[in-house]
Amino acid sequence: AQSVTQLGSHVSVSEGALVLLRCNYSSSVPPYLFWYVQYPNQGLQLLLKYTSAATLVKGINGFEAEFKKSETSFHLTKPSAHMSDAAEYFCAVSGYGNKLVFGAGTILRVKS
Amino acid sequence: GAGVSQSPSNKVTEKGKDVELRCDPISGHTALYWYRQRLGQGLEFLIYFQGNSAPDKSGLPSDRFSAERTGESVSTLTIQRTQQEDSAVYLCASSTDGTGLDGYTFGSGTRLTVV
Repeated sequence: AQSVTQLGSHVSVSEGALVLLRCNYSSSVPPYLFWYVQYPNQGLQLLLKYTSAATLVKGINGFEAEFKKSETSFHLTKPSAHMSDAAEYFCAVSGYGNKLVFGAGTILRVKS
Repeated sequence: GAGVSQSPSNKVTEKGKDVELRCDPISGHTALYWYRQRLGQGLEFLIYFQGNSAPDKSGLPSDRFSAERTGESVSTLTIQRTQQEDSAVYLCASSTDGTGLDGYTFGSGTRLTVV
């Protein structure tokens, strides 16, 4: 069985500040981990994924995430927030042949 | 097609009516998934197709919900005798296979409102 916990349903940062969105997972098999972004009235877009290669994964729009097995974490970061980053972000976990299980989501607000 | 297409984009229906939601996956994607997203909540898995078979229907909330897929392409999610708690955005996704390695490509969803 797999599950995801996203700490913080809402995160607010100033433009230019560090973005840190937290994700912890539970998985009985080696996990694949994903971050998706959802802009208003749109579907989910894949930001980045970890599938057992490099533990530091770089994605689109300057985002990256680090897989830490000892902490069962896959936090999403971006060094400098931009207004266009305001959206809802979902962390998800799966295992080989298993469906994606999503966290509850974190809404990111960027203040000017 | 270039992406996952869902129709209609919005649907308002009266309580007790049946609705059909359609999903056109990316051509060649053998795996297809339906999820539900209620207001302010995460994504809830409904059903998974590999080809035209559904090896995992564990997320369908009741026997009012059913889905089928034909020609390893289009899928239809049917909700019979709709209830107000069925109001949600229904998202369809496809992937190249069922391994999960590539992640999913999502459609823009169908917003269902039951009044």
